[in-house]
Amino acid sequence: GAVVSQHPSWVICKSGTSVKIECRSLDFQATTMFWYRQFPKQSLMLMATSNEGSKATYEQGVEKDKFLINHASLTLSTLTVTSAHPEDSSFYICSASYPQGLGNTIYFGEGSWLTVV
Amino acid sequence: LAKTTQPISMDSYEGQEVNITCSHNNIATNDYITWYQQFPSQGPRFIIQGYKTKVTNEVASLFIPADRKSSTLSLPRVSLSDTAVYYCLVVPGSSASKIIFGSGTRLSIRP
Repeated sequence: GAVVSQHPSWVICKSGTSVKIECRSLDFQATTMFWYRQFPKQSLMLMATSNEGSKATYEQGVEKDKFLINHASLTLSTLTVTSAHPEDSSFYICSASYPQGLGNTIYFGEGSWLTVV
Repeated sequence: LAKTTQPISMDSYEGQEVNITCSHNNIATNDYITWYQQFPSQGPRFIIQGYKTKVTNEVASLFIPADRKSSTLSLPRVSLSDTAVYYCLVVPGSSASKIIFGSGTRLSIRP
């Protein structure tokens, strides 16, 4: 099946610094990708929709200046957590939609653990 | 956006068949029903997808009644490694449509 890959799998950064997480669709083009955040024992929470060649659409309550999303190509979207703080520590997951038949199948990346110290 | 409702948790034993039901009362005509499995510290993994009636693959079956307002994921002869969280998602026909996760079902398999 289609593969979505994230990098890095885990990252530790100091408070106040910025960290970038990449999401790639490895064998298909994705005009739209999605970024989720997940806290331990909770469900995935949609943060934003990443649109190739245009601005991302953020969910209510998600700071667009803090979570910068860039979707510069049809196979790559990046999430940059700016001026990170310990409360930003979380599991970040991206997804992309793969057209199949008359519908779409959503594939998810492996996830990226961010720890801010 | 179609909202999904699933049991929060389920328990079963190795070798049993497990059926997890999901309700999605406001599913739209172009929506598909997809189930995912998630282990701790991993992204959700695709299990099966269907539109109506029954779909079967090497790991599961998906039953969807005619009104499509619910679906049931059936896992035959579960093992300990099937302990995970299972999510039912309603996937819109448009690739640009966002998808909202429900709570998922935490399945625990015991020896």
